[in-house]
Amino acid sequence: GENVEQHPSTLSVQEGDSAVIKCTYSDSASNYFPWYKQELGKRPQLIIDIRSNVGEKKDQRIAVTLNKTAKHFSLHITETQPEDSAVYFCAASNQAGTALIFGKGTTLSVSS
Amino acid sequence: DGGITQSPKYLFRKEGQNVTLSCEQNLNHDAMYWYRQDPGQGLRLIYYSQIVNDFQKGDIAEGYSVSREKKESFPLTVTSAQKNPTAFYLCASSIDGQGHQPQHFGDGTRLSIL
Repeated sequence: GENVEQHPSTLSVQEGDSAVIKCTYSDSASNYFPWYKQELGKRPQLIIDIRSNVGEKKDQRIAVTLNKTAKHFSLHITETQPEDSAVYFCAASNQAGTALIFGKGTTLSVSS
Repeated sequence: DGGITQSPKYLFRKEGQNVTLSCEQNLNHDAMYWYRQDPGQGLRLIYYSQIVNDFQKGDIAEGYSVSREKKESFPLTVTSAQKNPTAFYLCASSIDGQGHQPQHFGDGTRLSIL
């Protein structure tokens, strides 16, 4: 079935370091890949997304790269800050294009 | 996203009882979704609706039911057939039912068993 694998499940970095979270998806028909940030007890919030016709997208300290051939995409956070600490979810559109399939999440901890 | 309101924030269910979670949006979005979130499991799709009076089962629909009588409302009923209902439930909406549109989430309802 359709699946999104996300790694690592936990990630600890020092403030100012970079953090990278990787996801792979199973369906070659997927064409939309959003990333969400969820702070403890709060709603997931969209932080960046990318579509299949683009290989990379950047928004200040956050960037996403997409490799359609290998079916994987990654989130890059540079110059991490303690407020970046949260759970991050990747997702990919399903084969029918009607819903998103989410990864299991990565808990990022940034220590000062 | 203040445009999606879920209620109540906390809900308790007794054995054999059906409970209904409310989700309302004022974003004029066509599509709405219900997810269940368990620790370490990510978000799993329960039901989704691309348009009024139509909805589809997601990956874990058993023990749940929904209705979409109005564009702005998509209530979820957790029936007594759902034997492990304790979880955090999230409602979301998107402009249309195409999978390449961002989804915006509500604040969630935490359901527990009494």
